[in-house]
Amino acid sequence: GQNIDQPTEMTATEGAIVQINCTYQTSGFNGLFWYQQHAGEAPTFLSYNVLDGLEEKGRFSSFLSRSKGYSYLLLKELQMKDSASYLCASYNFNKFYFGSGTKLNVKP
Amino acid sequence: KAGVTQTPRYLIKTRGQQVTLSCSPISGHRSVSWYQQTPGQGLQFLFEYFSETQRNKGNFPGRFSGRQFSNSRSEMNVSTLELGDSALYLCASSLVQTSTDTQYFGPGTRLTVL
Repeated sequence: GQNIDQPTEMTATEGAIVQINCTYQTSGFNGLFWYQQHAGEAPTFLSYNVLDGLEEKGRFSSFLSRSKGYSYLLLKELQMKDSASYLCASYNFNKFYFGSGTKLNVKP
Repeated sequence: KAGVTQTPRYLIKTRGQQVTLSCSPISGHRSVSWYQQTPGQGLQFLFEYFSETQRNKGNFPGRFSGRQFSNSRSEMNVSTLELGDSALYLCASSLVQTSTDTQYFGPGTRLTVL
C-alpha cells in the first residue's frame, strides 16, 4: 500500500497558528487532499493540491512539494471549533490513500 | 442537493453473521467508494464502484464484497463477521472519481461485532 505519514496528535492554543505535516509516496501521485473530521462525524473536504505551492482558503492553507512527497495544512487564528482530526489523503494510481489522521486539540 | 446517505447508522451483529450496508450517493455522482475506519488503522480503502463496475479494490479479504446499482446506489456486504470487523464504514461519492474530483462522505455505519 501507499504510506501516508502524519503526526498522531497535536495541541495548540486558541488564536495561534498550527502546521500539520504529511508525507506520501510519490509514485503514481496525482493529487493531495486534506479532510477535517470531527468526532463522530464524516470527513469533510478542506483542500486539494496537485501543483507545487500554497493554496489559501480563508484561515486554512495547504502546501505541496511534489518532488519531496510532502504537504502541510496550515491553520491560522485557531478557534475551539477547529478541534478535530485532520486527514491527509494522496491520490496514487487512481486510488485514494488516507493517513491515520492528526488529532488537533485546541485549548483556550 | 441532498448529501450522501448511509443506512443503517448503527448495527450490532455477532460473529459468523453477515451484514449488508447501503449507500446512496449525491444525485448525479456515479462513483462510490467504501472505506473502513478504525482507531488504529485510520481510513482504509475497500473498493470503488463506477457505473455498476468495480474499478478498484483494496487489500481486504473476499468476505468483503460490494455492488452498485443502475441508480448509483451501492451496497457492501460482509460475510462471516469477525470481531475485528467492528469499525465505522464510510461511503464516499464523487462525480466520476479522478484526481481532481472531490469525494463527499456519508455519515457512516457504525458496525459492532460481538
